[in-house]
Amino acid sequence: GEDVEQSLFLSVREGDSSVINCTYTDSSSTYLYWYKQEPGAGLQLLTYIFSNMDMKQDQRLTVLLNKKDKHLSLRIADTQTGDSAIYFCAETPGTYKYIFGTGTRLKVLA
Amino acid sequence: NAGVTQTPKFQVLKTGQSMTLQCAQDMNHNSMYWYRQDPGMGLRLIYYSASEGTTDKGEVPNGYNVSRLNKREFSLRLESAAPSQTSVYFCASSDPGLAGGDEQFFGPGTRLTVL
Repeated sequence: GEDVEQSLFLSVREGDSSVINCTYTDSSSTYLYWYKQEPGAGLQLLTYIFSNMDMKQDQRLTVLLNKKDKHLSLRIADTQTGDSAIYFCAETPGTYKYIFGTGTRLKVLA
Repeated sequence: NAGVTQTPKFQVLKTGQSMTLQCAQDMNHNSMYWYRQDPGMGLRLIYYSASEGTTDKGEVPNGYNVSRLNKREFSLRLESAAPSQTSVYFCASSDPGLAGGDEQFFGPGTRLTVL
């Protein structure tokens, strides 16, 4: 099947690190993405990683890619209340073919 | 730039009614997409248009039709709405092939309820 799996909920305290995990299915994806969805809004691209990379750092965000296990993770350092949102990973096994995960709802407690 | 705009923001229909969801983008993107978002299921692709003049089915096309009116506009039509089509609908656009992959730009969504 083509299910991209994520855990549904994550709760962290403000200032802690958050780690959101994703298991994808298609090893032919050239890029893997993380999108953020705030309440009542559409998705916005947070970051992406090229499939030949193991890690990408972008300010407070660190993306780790384990191609052998088809595992993608997003780490948010120093998590703030403004980071509360739903986070989606996505793979792109072909042009025009975007497969989104189920989304992880991150709640940041003050 | 407004980015991707969608109308209406909210809609309530009765079973069997029809309606068209409108989407427009001002980023000169070639490709446009319609998704539905349901709780616990992420986003699922309904239809996409790779370029002006072409449309193709996605994962869940049944019960929907689309029209790529011009490069800017891509509409989604429900001919005979069913309760199973209650969802949040997102339009997106992109330009595949640009450096950095295929970032999708999303509209704010249309929340549709079918009674």
